[in-house]
Amino acid sequence: NAGVTQTPKFQVLKTGQSMTLQCAQDMNHNSMYWYRQDPGMGLRLIYYSASEGTTDKGEVPNGYNVSRLNKREFSLRLESAAPSQTSVYFCASSEARTRAFFGQGTRLTVV
Amino acid sequence: KQEVTQIPAALSVPEGENLVLNCSFTDSAIYNLQWFRQDPGKGLTSLLLIQSSQREQTSGRLNASLDKSSGRSTLYIAASQPGDSATYLCAVRLNDYKLSFGAGTTVTVRA
Repeated sequence: NAGVTQTPKFQVLKTGQSMTLQCAQDMNHNSMYWYRQDPGMGLRLIYYSASEGTTDKGEVPNGYNVSRLNKREFSLRLESAAPSQTSVYFCASSEARTRAFFGQGTRLTVV
Repeated sequence: KQEVTQIPAALSVPEGENLVLNCSFTDSAIYNLQWFRQDPGKGLTSLLLIQSSQREQTSGRLNASLDKSSGRSTLYIAASQPGDSATYLCAVRLNDYKLSFGAGTTVTVRA
């Protein structure tokens, strides 16, 4: 049972560099999400996709873009990384109001 | 805006003691509430999901209660073990696509 798979697990970027975080789920869920987790601030929603072909902004979308490539895959792109984007990023999926399942996270450091 | 609070932020108990973790939320218009466990450096694992129409949900040594009118949920872990040491997060679902998370309670069970 793979569940939700994220790549990479760790990444160090220099300020201004770009990168894409990949996420794939094998549970046939319609909804997928990207969160960031920062100490003392809990998890905050960056973007979500209610279904294939749709994406919407969450609480903290600035500096990010997303692509829902197909039903399985949802990627998060940082076009020009900033130190404030140093965080742990989690991808999740669910079917509407059912349980959410999370990936193992990507630890990103921007120097 | 929905605020989710978890108190205490940290808890240390001797092995065998029962754990009581609290979660409060400001807006009672929720669809459900989910409890997660997070181990250091890992993703979130779903423990229990309580629908808004339910009062409690049980899984093994875990029992979660929900009082929607007062905006509270409690997670009980019976006969704690060192393996229960982790951070526990609660999240309320506001609609089909949004989860609001608390900052978590970090539990240490001393052998």
